[in-house]
Amino acid sequence: QVQLVQSGAEVKMPGSSVKVSCKTSGGTFTNYAVHWVRQAPGQGLEWMGGVIPMFGTPNYADNLQDRVTITADESTSTAYMELNSLRSEDTAVYYCARDPLDQLAPRGAFEIWGQGTSVTVSS
Amino acid sequence: QSALAQPASVSGSPGQSITISCTGTRSDIGSYNVVSWYQQHPGKVPKLIIFETSERPSGVSNRFSGSKSGNTASLTISGLQAEDQADYYCCSYAGSGTYLFGTGTKVTAL
Repeated sequence: QVQLVQSGAEVKMPGSSVKVSCKTSGGTFTNYAVHWVRQAPGQGLEWMGGVIPMFGTPNYADNLQDRVTITADESTSTAYMELNSLRSEDTAVYYCARDPLDQLAPRGAFEIWGQGTSVTVSS
Repeated sequence: QSALAQPASVSGSPGQSITISCTGTRSDIGSYNVVSWYQQHPGKVPKLIIFETSERPSGVSNRFSGSKSGNTASLTISGLQAEDQADYYCCSYAGSGTYLFGTGTKVTAL
């Protein structure tokens, strides 16, 4: 059974960076896009960005594109999300999600999700 | 880019049908049949229940159905059950490889 396994919880100082990993276990990394979605405490879901590992070029949400970097390593079936210049408003649970490709384009169906990684930004 | 607009809450009696709306613009819902819906129980990971506007993943109850008209997508839950009490989010492709989520709707079975 395919699982997305994320790295553990992080506590960071304002102004620092965090890098969260998402490893595909029990399945292929190929023919899928990987998206990152975050959820602040008591708030809704926010799409941050995504990448198609076989192509490597990421796309980002407008409000985050100057602070977020999404990468993927096909050799280890692992995707990464790095967020810089952290602020208290970045305190959230960060999820990765897998989206199958149809004719090399994402279907926009976040079918499998990681367990979530809690990131707390506090001085 | 603003979040897609959803009602904050929708409620219904067990056995009834309810519909959740998701309103976007010509740049997202109005231009693409790439709308998905997610169910999230408290403290749990979101679960895909509808993709490509009206398709159901394997294993998802046929009580869930999706549709779209113009810039608004809708999720209907037929035969509301207690287990359907959760938060529901729509999501639409918005062009240039980007996506937008809705503001979320809390469903209550009275």
